[in-house]
Amino acid sequence: QKEVEQNSGPLSVPEGAIASLNCTYSDRGSQSFFWYRQYSGKSPELIMSIYSNGDKEDGRFTAQLNKASQYVSLLIRDSQPSDSATYLCAVGGGGFKTIFGAGTRLFVKA
Amino acid sequence: DTAVSQTPKYLVTQMGNDKSIKCEQNLGHDTMYWYKQDSKKFLKIMFSYNNKELIINETVPNRFSPKSPDKAHLNLHINSLELGDSAVYFCASSQEAGSNTEAFFGQGTRLTVV
Repeated sequence: QKEVEQNSGPLSVPEGAIASLNCTYSDRGSQSFFWYRQYSGKSPELIMSIYSNGDKEDGRFTAQLNKASQYVSLLIRDSQPSDSATYLCAVGGGGFKTIFGAGTRLFVKA
Repeated sequence: DTAVSQTPKYLVTQMGNDKSIKCEQNLGHDTMYWYKQDSKKFLKIMFSYNNKELIINETVPNRFSPKSPDKAHLNLHINSLELGDSAVYFCASSQEAGSNTEAFFGQGTRLTVV
């Protein structure tokens, strides 16, 4: 069974701090990795995608991928209360199916 | 314009009833999906269609039947609803049939079976 594991949280950080969200996956053949943000009662929306080892930065968000360790993370710099949401890690195995983690709840305190 | 729209947003119904959820996307995508998100927030794929053809059919009860009249629409029909079917159902679409592309989600349908 292919799995994507995330700490469910909640992860609580003060405003302006760096929030670090982690995800591990079991399928070594995975090729694509996504972070979705889901506000309460809303649908998931893509915030980052990463396909090769290393870091990818987009504004305050940085995705980090380490395929050898089967580990992907999302860093949010200068966290804002509006970043409070559930962050879903999603992993694609190159086939048709993307596997989602259960999500990590992030709470940014003003 | 809403990219992926699904109706209804809320659906409350009694056990044993049959209900449908409709989904339409105006993104020109070839692939559409149905996901189920339960109370623990796990988002699990149920079905995927590419150009009106079924390409993923996860282990869901055969009471659930997707129908794709064209590549812009993927509807979900559920027969003989059970309490355990209560969840939020998300429709989504992506440009290609594959797990290497991002999915765009509809606003979700909260189904409550009483």
